[in-house]
Amino acid sequence: ETGVTQSPTHLIKTRGQQVTLRCSSQSGHNTVSWYQQALGQGPQFIFQYYREEENGRGNFPPRFSGLQFPNYSSELNVNALELDDSALYLCASSPGQDNTQYFGPGTRLTVL
Amino acid sequence: AQSVTQLGSHVSVSEGALVLLRCNYSSSVPPYLFWYVQYPNQGLQLLLKYTTGATLVKGINGFEAEFKKSETSFHLTKPSAHMSDAAEYFCAVSEGSGYSTLTFGKGTMLLVSP
Repeated sequence: ETGVTQSPTHLIKTRGQQVTLRCSSQSGHNTVSWYQQALGQGPQFIFQYYREEENGRGNFPPRFSGLQFPNYSSELNVNALELDDSALYLCASSPGQDNTQYFGPGTRLTVL
Repeated sequence: AQSVTQLGSHVSVSEGALVLLRCNYSSSVPPYLFWYVQYPNQGLQLLLKYTTGATLVKGINGFEAEFKKSETSFHLTKPSAHMSDAAEYFCAVSEGSGYSTLTFGKGTMLLVSP
């Protein structure tokens, strides 16, 4: 069984640019959540998708947006990058109504 | 609103000693509670979870945690630390089923010395 995968592993962007991060959920999981983990902090919830619809959103500005596709994979898009967006971005999938979330290895984003 | 407090950003133990990582939570509804471990430059790995039922929960790698409602705590323990346990540990809370957002604590770095 393949776990949650994320791409790319690392990414370097400059302020003002846009970035797209990708996530493939674990087989059989229809819910995907995205988290931002700044250095030395716990993960912070960005948003969640359930069956291609946004199912909840944390305290992040609208320049953070996402998509979920029919195969339950997902994208996180960030526009107008700021220095503070530098972080590890984690994707987690869960099997619908089950609260247990399984995390991918993350994408390390550096904004210069 | 839910929140998690992990007491101690760093905990140091000797190999073979008891590991105790503290977690207190706040939740307006019966919580679901989780412990995750993060090794350097990796994602989060689920150690154990409490949803309902037995309050003593056993997880992987010899870890266990006990849900104490009266103390709003979910401390993580392991009888004997191993060098490979050195990592960062995160406690998380979720308010019930369905909308499964996790709220995490700030993490505790476990250091194990020989």
